[in-house]
Amino acid sequence: EAGVVQSPRYKIIEKKQPVAFWCNPISGHNTLYWYRQNLGQGPELLIRYENEEAVDDSQLPKDRFSAERLKGVDSTLKIQPAELGDSAVYLCASSPRLAGGAGELFFGEGSRLTVL
Amino acid sequence: AQSVSQHNHHVILSEAASLELGCNYSYGGTVNLFWYVQYPGQHLQLLLKYFSGDPLVKGIKGFEAEFIKSKFSFNLRKPSVQWSDTAEYFCAVNNNAGNMLTFGGGTRLMVKP
Repeated sequence: EAGVVQSPRYKIIEKKQPVAFWCNPISGHNTLYWYRQNLGQGPELLIRYENEEAVDDSQLPKDRFSAERLKGVDSTLKIQPAELGDSAVYLCASSPRLAGGAGELFFGEGSRLTVL
Repeated sequence: AQSVSQHNHHVILSEAASLELGCNYSYGGTVNLFWYVQYPGQHLQLLLKYFSGDPLVKGIKGFEAEFIKSKFSFNLRKPSVQWSDTAEYFCAVNNNAGNMLTFGGGTRLMVKP
């Protein structure tokens, strides 16, 4: 079974430039997550999708971040314009829908962003 | 809001030493608890999880964790570590009300051969 696929693995950009990250979840997983992991810290949720609906985006900085999951499968996370503080690893995860809350989340390898 | 605290940021052990990593959470309701591991250069993967039942859960590679409800803790243990256990370990909690996992800050474990 293929895992969660993310691209690009690494991205270096100058501040004020746009950047986009792509995620393909495990087939059949309804729930998709974007997390941000700063250096030396644990992952922090940015947005969660149930199929194509964003059900929790309270932590997404909406002035510069946007995300979409148009057909309920792949997802794209965009930052425009990027700031120095956006340097981090952006993790995508997926899980099947389970009654009573989350079970195991399956993570991709992440996209490491460096903003110069 | 739920939160997770991992008090040990860096741990260095010699092979065959015993391991215990602390994890405390704050949430008054029913929780699901997880330990994830990230080996160097690899993605986060599940080590073990607790949903209900026996508070002592066993995971992969000889790891176990004990849920102590009265202490809001879910400490990770391994009787004898190996060099290959060098990794970063994350405790996480889900409050059973929604599909959201909250992670602790992580503990970086280095095992000396």
